[in-house]
Amino acid sequence: AQSVTQPDIHITVSEGASLELRCNYSYGATPYLFWYVQSPGQGLQLLLKYFSGDTLVQGIKGFEAEFKRSQSSFNLRKPSVHWSDAAEYFCAVGAVDKGNKLVFGAGTILRVKS
Amino acid sequence: DTEVTQTPKHLVMGMTNKKSLKCEQHMGHRAMYWYKQKAKKPPELMFVYSYEKLSINESVPSRFSPECPNSSLLNLHLHALQPEDSALYLCASSPRLRAYEQYFGPGTRLTVT
Repeated sequence: AQSVTQPDIHITVSEGASLELRCNYSYGATPYLFWYVQSPGQGLQLLLKYFSGDTLVQGIKGFEAEFKRSQSSFNLRKPSVHWSDAAEYFCAVGAVDKGNKLVFGAGTILRVKS
Repeated sequence: DTEVTQTPKHLVMGMTNKKSLKCEQHMGHRAMYWYKQKAKKPPELMFVYSYEKLSINESVPSRFSPECPNSSLLNLHLHALQPEDSALYLCASSPRLRAYEQYFGPGTRLTVT
């Protein structure tokens, strides 16, 4: 069965500092991987996706993620965090054989201190 | 335009009421989804529609009844809900099933009293 682990429930970084959010997945076939961001009381916004090809993918808002098959990881990074990045971040794997079902990690809440 | 709209934004209903949630997209997507998200939890899939036909029902209680009247619209009919059904209900769409990203609406915050 598919599963996604986000080991950090909360992360606090200073504005301007770099950020890395961790994500590990378990999936038997080629994974389709996503990062979404959710502000309080809002829907989810797609930051970036990985289907195949270049393992370093660029997304919106200056985010990038790197797919490492050997480590079953898809970590999200940003070189310089802005206060507006404070939100909850979800990593997800798409189960192609189950109607494109998205299986989400538990989420990581990012706090940005000034 | 990658917009999915949902109405209403907030809904308060009693346990004997009947209400409906509405979702709309005009991106030409042929797959649409309902998710339920409890506080401090990730979204959980409820239903998947593909080409206006129900493709997946994740063992959701019958008090939730989905409907896809056309390729742009997705409804969720609610009847005899329980307080534990209070949650954020999210709609999403994707071009088709199989390895496509999903675009989410802003959600409907449902409170059952």
